[in-house]
Amino acid sequence: GAGVSQSPSNKVTEKGKDVELRCDPISGHTALYWYRQSLGQGLEFLIYFQGNSAPDKSGLPSDRFSAERTGGSVSTLTIQRTQQEDSAVYLCASSRTLDRGQYFGPGTRLLVL
Amino acid sequence: GQQLNQSPQSMFIQEGEDVSMNCTSSSIFNTWLWYKQDPGEGPVLLIALYKAGELTSNGRLTAQFGITRKDSFLNISASIPSDVGIYFCAAPAPQGGSEKLVFGKGTKLTVNP
Repeated sequence: GAGVSQSPSNKVTEKGKDVELRCDPISGHTALYWYRQSLGQGLEFLIYFQGNSAPDKSGLPSDRFSAERTGGSVSTLTIQRTQQEDSAVYLCASSRTLDRGQYFGPGTRLLVL
Repeated sequence: GQQLNQSPQSMFIQEGEDVSMNCTSSSIFNTWLWYKQDPGEGPVLLIALYKAGELTSNGRLTAQFGITRKDSFLNISASIPSDVGIYFCAAPAPQGGSEKLVFGKGTKLTVNP
């Protein structure tokens, strides 16, 4: 079966522009996560969706960041008024249950000029 | 918050050598996960550990869940060039359920043929 897919794979944008990043989780996985990975660093949790529950947004770094998950499947991470410090790899992961390993997509490499 | 201290930061070894890396924390975790990330890819789950003292193998990889539940190690035996990459330990953040993963900063492995 298909793994987690993300698009675009690379995005270059100008400071101040908005960007949308998309994630398609593994079919049947009810939990979906977004992480950010800066160069040479580990992964930083951003937001988590589980079924129809309210998302855990505690990791979002500012109100310029938002995410939604439509129909319990595809998710979109939106960054408004991008800043240079937003440049990073944005990784999406999904899992079937909370206590099992999360499966990651290939990431979107965002560069803000 | 919870932090995972992963060491070493980097390793340079010859093909055929064994490798050992570990992850420690001042917090107790109920699950330990080990991921490998190749350049330009998302992390791939290698081994998941769910019980203190558990020793689990996946081919040439062996990981153990420490008895204190505050540490874990990963061993790679008879390394080969394709073992090159960054290895991350991760654990579900204990408070509020196991939704978020906390990651170590990674061990970058270089294998010289």
